Amino acid sequence: DGGITQSPKYLFRKEGQNVTLSCEQNLNHDAMYWYRQDPGQGLRLIYYSQIVNDFQKGDIAEGYSVSREKKESFPLTVTSAQKNPTAFYLCASSITAGTGNEQYFGPGTRLTVT
Amino acid sequence: GQQLNQSPQSMFIQEGEDVSMNCTSSSIFNTWLWYKQDPGEGPVLLIALYKAGELTSNGRLTAQFGITRKDSFLNISASIPSDVGIYFCAGLNSGGSNYKLTFGKGTLLTVNP
Repeated sequence: DGGITQSPKYLFRKEGQNVTLSCEQNLNHDAMYWYRQDPGQGLRLIYYSQIVNDFQKGDIAEGYSVSREKKESFPLTVTSAQKNPTAFYLCASSITAGTGNEQYFGPGTRLTVT
Repeated sequence: GQQLNQSPQSMFIQEGEDVSMNCTSSSIFNTWLWYKQDPGEGPVLLIALYKAGELTSNGRLTAQFGITRKDSFLNISASIPSDVGIYFCAGLNSGGSNYKLTFGKGTLLTVNP
């Protein structure tokens, strides 16, 4: 089955620890995205990548880092510098970045930092 | 960043009723997308619109791309309990390297059986 997988579904960390969220897609999509969702809010873009070995900051990149070493994978690291890391994190992909290319989402990872 | 004004914020309806929700923006978009999100899950794409004035259906769902390119609406006919969820609109600009989707804050739909 083609799709986007995110693991784990739930993640718990202590304050001050870095944590890496996994995102894998087998849709052969060039572009991948990371969003953050807070209760009652729309989705906010953290980082996106149009192609392997390239990525750009979104609207709320501070305290996050990404890598894109393989087409299929776009892991997100939530660093200790992120002030409010507890949130629902969503990964998405599209054929390419830009007009006419719908973004498809994974099932999400709920991160709780205490 | 840009904002989409999505309304209503929430709706409580009886099974069988029709539903309408809309998004407006101060900016022009050249793609409108409508998603549904179930609790604890990722959004699922319902309908994609690419041309001003376009009217597209997907089963009981109908969406339109506003003629001014600054708005879109989604209608759900004959609602059923499984329509419950949060519906998001999203707009995409053209031009330059702006590949970011701008999302509305969502419409929470509750359907009473």
